[in-house]
Order: sequence, then structure tokens, then C-alpha cells
Amino acid sequence: EAQVTQNPRYLITVTGKKLTVTCSQNMNHEYMSWYRQDPGLGLRQIYYSMNVEVTDKGDVPEGYKVSRKEKRNFPLILESPSPNQTSLYFCASSLGVGRGTFFGQGTRLTVV
Amino acid sequence: DQQVKQNSPSLSVQEGRISILNCDYTNSMFDYFLWYKKYPAEGPTFLISISSIKDKNEDGRFTVFLNKSAKHLSLHIVPSQPGDSAVYFCAATSPFNFGNEKLTFGTGTRLTIIP
Repeated sequence: EAQVTQNPRYLITVTGKKLTVTCSQNMNHEYMSWYRQDPGLGLRQIYYSMNVEVTDKGDVPEGYKVSRKEKRNFPLILESPSPNQTSLYFCASSLGVGRGTFFGQGTRLTVV
Repeated sequence: DQQVKQNSPSLSVQEGRISILNCDYTNSMFDYFLWYKKYPAEGPTFLISISSIKDKNEDGRFTVFLNKSAKHLSLHIVPSQPGDSAVYFCAATSPFNFGNEKLTFGTGTRLTIIP
């Protein structure tokens, strides 16, 4: 089954404690990205990757890092989380916009 | 600056009737538009899309209409079914993002189908 898998689904952490949200896709897609969803703002792109070792900033990259060492994996790293990063995060992968973007199930992160 | 706007946060429709969800955009560079459906605790799932060279696209009970001059699109669901109750996101993309297939999303409309 084609899917994008994120882990963990839920996470509560404290300010400043480094964390990683993993993302893996089994569709051999070159393009992957991360979004965050906040009330009244819809989904906003954090980072994206067009292929292995090719990553770039989206609209709201501050406080986040990513890496793309393998085609299937695209982890999101918060080196020093802050409360304003409390949000619902989605990983996505795509063969091309016209062919649909697939989203993971989401990771609800709370930073206290 | 919200480039894609869904001005109705919620909509309730009787089962069997037509649901119409609206979306407006401001960026003239957008050339491809998509609708996503989202259930609680799940990621958005692709529903239907339309290219700017068309003004209508149908897929079963779902039809998307695009009015480029008004920068407006709408999603029609006929007939509405209880399983259609979800949050619907309108999204748009531009060919000028240098390979970034970024989707610019609206804020969503929560559709509730009343049995």
C-alpha cells in the first residue's frame, strides 16, 4: 500500500530538548516536504526536498532542520523547540503536483 | 498574507442535497488548483484538481469549477453523503517555484452532512 509514515503521532516535550520527527515514503517519490497546520492559517510549508541531498526552505523554516540522506526518508529536526512550534505537522511526498501529493497522518507536537 | 482564502469556516448540508464549498485566491501565478479532504487524526487526502486551462472538472459526485477572471473556484458535491463530513482544504500551486511543488492552502471549511 502506498503510504507516507510519520512517527511519533503525538509528542509532548519541554522547551529546548532536541527532537526528531521521522517520515518515510514507499512510493519512490523524489519530492518530499514538511508542512505545519495551525488554526486560522491552513497548512504552511516548512522545508522541501527535490531529491537526495537537495533541500531548501519553505515559507516558515525558522527553528527547523531537515536532511535527505536517502530517497525514502525525510526527518524533521527541532534542535531547540519552543512553545510557538506547538502545532500539527504533516510530511508529504509527490511524483509531481498534477499526480497528487500524499500526506502522512500527522504528528501533533506540544512544546511546554 | 493569505493567498488562498476559504471564507466559510463551516457548512452544514442535509444528506442528499448539494454541498458547495468556495475558495478565492489572489495570486495570478497560480495555475493548478486542488481540493483535499481531511478527517480527524488523518492527513489530507487528494480529492480532485483542475488546471487553469479548464473551467470544470468532474469525478463522480465531485465537480470543481474554476472562474479565472474572478479568481474563484468551488467544489460541488452531489448528492452529499454522511461520509463527506470532513474538513475540506483548497490548495493552489504555481509553475514559478523553481521545482518546489509547494501547495498554498486555504484555512479549510468544515463540512457537516446532516442525516
